[in-house]
Amino acid sequence: DSGVTQTPKHLITATGQRVTLRCSPRSGDLSVYWYQQSLDQGLQFLIQYYNGEERAKGNILERFSAQQFPDLHSELNLSSLELGDSALYFCASSVDPKAADTQYFGPGTRLTVL
Amino acid sequence: AQSVTQLGSHVSVSEGALVLLRCNYSSSVPPYLFWYVQYPNQGLQLLLKYTTGATLVKGINGFEAEFKKSETSFHLTKPSAHRSDAAEYFCAVSEPGNQFYFGTGTSLTVIP
Repeated sequence: DSGVTQTPKHLITATGQRVTLRCSPRSGDLSVYWYQQSLDQGLQFLIQYYNGEERAKGNILERFSAQQFPDLHSELNLSSLELGDSALYFCASSVDPKAADTQYFGPGTRLTVL
Repeated sequence: AQSVTQLGSHVSVSEGALVLLRCNYSSSVPPYLFWYVQYPNQGLQLLLKYTTGATLVKGINGFEAEFKKSETSFHLTKPSAHRSDAAEYFCAVSEPGNQFYFGTGTSLTVIP
């Protein structure tokens, strides 16, 4: 158990809908990362937050947005969902935002778009 | 931008045999290098990482990796495979701008 929690574990929804994925980092970690894992794209870095502020951006679509709240939990919002958004979404956390810092991954949220 | 190449999406070894998983990266600056393991239906777990210093890095579960700058490689090895090593392995690179890049993964099968 990494100490990172993600809810829900599974999510099934329809195209065009909007969903919110939630992540609670390890106690003491200030940095949160979001990743998308799909069969055709592999593991893709989406976005990083540190202490409430966006720190780095990867391959995140404009239909997707994220935020980190004062209590350090983070939410990833996915809107106008398409079939291709079906994937495993991971959250990870680390103490610092430094590139050398170890990231601890949550168990993931499996999103299925029908 | 960085890129990470893992040669061989599937690797099979016999139990007790050497495990070698290959990772090459492209970088114009000294990178930070990581190996993660993913067991079925679980998140990724750090095996080991290289930041600075000694180029041979030892990780958990008997794994180690060597950073070779001249070859831009960070191959993962384990002298003797165990059936519990069967999993998906990911090489990752990060750079000071905090962009993280993962390889496409290598699925390791251990044959009894």
